[in-house]
Amino acid sequence: DGGITQSPKYLFRKEGQNVTLSCEQNLNHDAMYWYRQDPGQGLRLIYYSQIVNDFQKGDIAEGYSVSREKKESFPLTVTSAQKNPTAFYLCASSSWTGGSYEQYFGPGTRLTVT
Amino acid sequence: GESVGLHLPTLSVQEGDNSIINCAYSNSASDYFIWYKQESGKGPQFIIDIRSNMDKRQGQRVTVLLNKTVKHLSLQIAATQPGDSAVYFCAENDGSGYSTLTFGKGTMLLVSP
Repeated sequence: DGGITQSPKYLFRKEGQNVTLSCEQNLNHDAMYWYRQDPGQGLRLIYYSQIVNDFQKGDIAEGYSVSREKKESFPLTVTSAQKNPTAFYLCASSSWTGGSYEQYFGPGTRLTVT
Repeated sequence: GESVGLHLPTLSVQEGDNSIINCAYSNSASDYFIWYKQESGKGPQFIIDIRSNMDKRQGQRVTVLLNKTVKHLSLQIAATQPGDSAVYFCAENDGSGYSTLTFGKGTMLLVSP
């Protein structure tokens, strides 16, 4: 059963703590992405990676970090430097073959920081 | 910067009606567009996509229209059902060679039985 998994679904942290969100895909996709979604808002790109061991900042990378050591995995760390970390985080992947840029999304992780 | 936007934040329709969700884009270099459906608390799901060398594409109960002259995209849903209630996003690829998408803010579609 192919797809993208994100864990956990809900995550609670105290302010000042770093937290890492997991994203795994078994679709054999080269590219992976992290988005942040706030209530009533669209998706904003945090980081993306088009190939293993390489990643680029998106529009709102400050306070976040990523790694891409394996093709299947793209974990996101929300650091204590992120001023407003409470949000819904979505991971996606794509293969951009056949002229399609379709991204496949995971179920999301809702992070609450108090 | 240039971004994708939507005209209507909320659209309320009756079951069986046809729905039209609109999207304006400003980047004339964008050459690929995609519509996603997002149900509450879930990740977005692909609906349909279209490349800039087309002006219309049809799927099951859905049609996407692209007007490059006025930089406008629309999603038409035929015979709307309560299960179609969700937030709909349009997104574009800017033709730069990178695989990233820029998303609009979304339109909430509410379907009454």
